[in-house]
Amino acid sequence: QKEVEQNSGPLSVPEGAIASLNCTYSDRVSQSFFWYRQYSGKSPELIMSIYSNGDKEDGRFTAQLNKASQYVSLLIRDSQPSDSATYLCAVAGGGTSYGKLTFGQGTILTVHP
Amino acid sequence: IAGITQAPTSQILAAGRRMTLRCTQDMRHNAMYWYRQDLGLGLRLIHYSNTAGTTGKGEVPDGYSVSRANTDDFPLTLASAVPSQTSVYFCASSEFPLGLAGDPDTQYFGPGTRLTVL
Repeated sequence: QKEVEQNSGPLSVPEGAIASLNCTYSDRVSQSFFWYRQYSGKSPELIMSIYSNGDKEDGRFTAQLNKASQYVSLLIRDSQPSDSATYLCAVAGGGTSYGKLTFGQGTILTVHP
Repeated sequence: IAGITQAPTSQILAAGRRMTLRCTQDMRHNAMYWYRQDLGLGLRLIHYSNTAGTTGKGEVPDGYSVSRANTDDFPLTLASAVPSQTSVYFCASSEFPLGLAGDPDTQYFGPGTRLTVL
């Protein structure tokens, strides 16, 4: 079983809708959680990070973390065509494994007008 | 400020040849990382360095070596390239090692090197 699993895509939503991206992880001691966006042919860019259980909002993006369920999600409100990209969930190891970031396989999101 | 630079941008290499991918950051970040990205497999950590003078193995270290002689540079060497090392390689850095107790840090990625081994 892969350490970080993302919901299989591709995901297609209409413009203005809410896009929901999900991720589960297997290492219970994981400390930090990240969502990256990657446009085709480009390098990943960080859009959200979360450390504590609950919700963290930044503009149209909300990250949700539930450590008991080992689950992290990203909601994109009022989705725009410019949000079309691959979204990568990443988990940083805890304990003595800090520094190691494990990525999920990515979810392709398409926002259609 | 350039951030993170990688060289070369792309390279075609014959199997068995030695190759060093260069990565330089000008943000004085403590931690640096090398990833490879393959279709369907996402990004996988090859090696990392939490601070100058130290390195660690990631998920897929075999066939690769790194060094961290100073803060700014983190070269990745393929001693004898094989076709399975065909990939896009990303270098990244963060001010502090990711996951260290405390607030999550931001990791910056370089533009990538596309490597083809024939």
